[in-house]
Amino acid sequence: AQTVTQSQPEMSVQEAETVTLSCTYDTSESDYYLFWYKQPPSRQMILVIRQEAYKQQNATENRFSVNFQKAAKSFSLKISDSQLGDAAMYFCAMNYGGSQGNLIFGKGTKLSVKP
Amino acid sequence: EPEVTQTPSHQVTQMGQEVILRCVPISNHLYFYWYRQILGQKVEFLVSFYNNEISEKSEIFDDQFSVERPDGSNFTLKIRSTKLEDSAMYFCASSEGKEGPSTDTQYFGPGTRLTVL
Repeated sequence: AQTVTQSQPEMSVQEAETVTLSCTYDTSESDYYLFWYKQPPSRQMILVIRQEAYKQQNATENRFSVNFQKAAKSFSLKISDSQLGDAAMYFCAMNYGGSQGNLIFGKGTKLSVKP
Repeated sequence: EPEVTQTPSHQVTQMGQEVILRCVPISNHLYFYWYRQILGQKVEFLVSFYNNEISEKSEIFDDQFSVERPDGSNFTLKIRSTKLEDSAMYFCASSEGKEGPSTDTQYFGPGTRLTVL
C-alpha cells in the first residue's frame, strides 16, 4: 500500500525567511511521482512543484525547491524568501506508474506567514 | 489561465436524497477525477474517468456513487441516497492525458462542500 505522511499540522514563518515542510512516503513501486500542492483559503489546490522519482536532481520552481531523499523516502518542500501570499495549506501527494490517477495525499500542513 | 470549475460551492441536503455535483474540466483535458475530503482528514481518491468510462475507483466509490460526462464539457458525480458520512468537500480534477494518468499533473477545482443533514 502507498502512504504519504505529513507530520507537521501547522508551521509558521516570518516574511522573507525560509521554511521547510516535511513529507515522507512509502511505496513498493519503483516508478512514482511526487507533488506539492498549495491550497490558499477558499481557493483551489494548485501545483507548486513535482518530482519524478527516477530523477536524481531536486526539482526547483523559483522560490520553491524540494529535497528528495529517495532512500529515506523523504520529500520536503523548501520555501525561500517567504511572502504573505505563501500562506496556505500545503499538501504532499504521490502517484505511481500503473495507477489511473489515484493521487495519494498527506493530511496537509497549514503554513502561516507573519509580516 | 484555464481552470476547473465546480458548482455549487455548497450543497445542503437531507439524508437519503440524491445529489449531483457538477464540474467543468479544462477543455482539452482527457482524464477526469473526483476526490473527497472529510473535515480533518486526508484528501481521498474516489474515481478516475477516461474515454467515457471509469478507469479506476476506490473502495469508497460504491454503488451509491456514479459519474457521467453528459455532454462535451460537464463531468458529474451523483450520490444516489446520501448518508451523514457523505458530508465532505468534493474536489474535481482533470489532466491533459499526454503522459498518462499516472504521471500527469492534475488540476483541481475549488470544491463543493456537501452537508448531509
